[in-house]
Amino acid sequence: AQKVTQAQTEISVVEKEDVTLDCVYETRDTTYYLFWYKQPPSGELVFLIRRNSFDEQNEISGRYSWNFQKSTSSFNFTITASQVVDSAVYFCALSDEYGGSQGNLIFGKGTKLSVKP
Amino acid sequence: DGGITQSPKYLFRKEGQNVTLSCEQNLNHDAMYWYRQDPGQGLRLIYYSQIVNDFQKGDIAEGYSVSREKKESFPLTVTSAQKNPTAFYLCASSTRGRSNQPQHFGDGTRLSIL
Repeated sequence: AQKVTQAQTEISVVEKEDVTLDCVYETRDTTYYLFWYKQPPSGELVFLIRRNSFDEQNEISGRYSWNFQKSTSSFNFTITASQVVDSAVYFCALSDEYGGSQGNLIFGKGTKLSVKP
Repeated sequence: DGGITQSPKYLFRKEGQNVTLSCEQNLNHDAMYWYRQDPGQGLRLIYYSQIVNDFQKGDIAEGYSVSREKKESFPLTVTSAQKNPTAFYLCASSTRGRSNQPQHFGDGTRLSIL
């Protein structure tokens, strides 16, 4: 069965610190996709990144970077030099082709990040 | 602007009452989804629809009903059979049948019991 685990329930950092949000996933499918979403206090989910199972290249976008490691089934998200505006709940999600999710997203429970000035 | 509109933002339900949450999208997406979010929990799938006039139950469909008469609209009815409806409800859409496509979300509706 598919599963996404975000072991960190809440993280609190001071502005300008680096922070890494962990995501571990389970799937039996060889073709799958991983996503990160941000949920600010206003409530809507904002799409951040998608990664497919065949592309293990790490990605950097400004202060955001993602580390995908199939060997450990992890897709971790790092924010460099955090800012107060980064305060939000961050969700990791998985979807696979044939593993039973039927293309639907399986979400982790989220990590609440608080960045203090 | 293209996007997903959910209304109302806040909704109150009396005992024994059915209430309907609206979700409209102008992204020309075929697939639409309803999720429920409880405090400290991830999103759980209630119903989804890959095409007009067709929809499937998600993980927690009991006490809910949907319709998909138009591509743009996917309303969710919370029936009186749903005994614990207090939650944050999110609607999403994506390109049909593509597991690699990200879902786009509305701003949500917060439902409470009176």
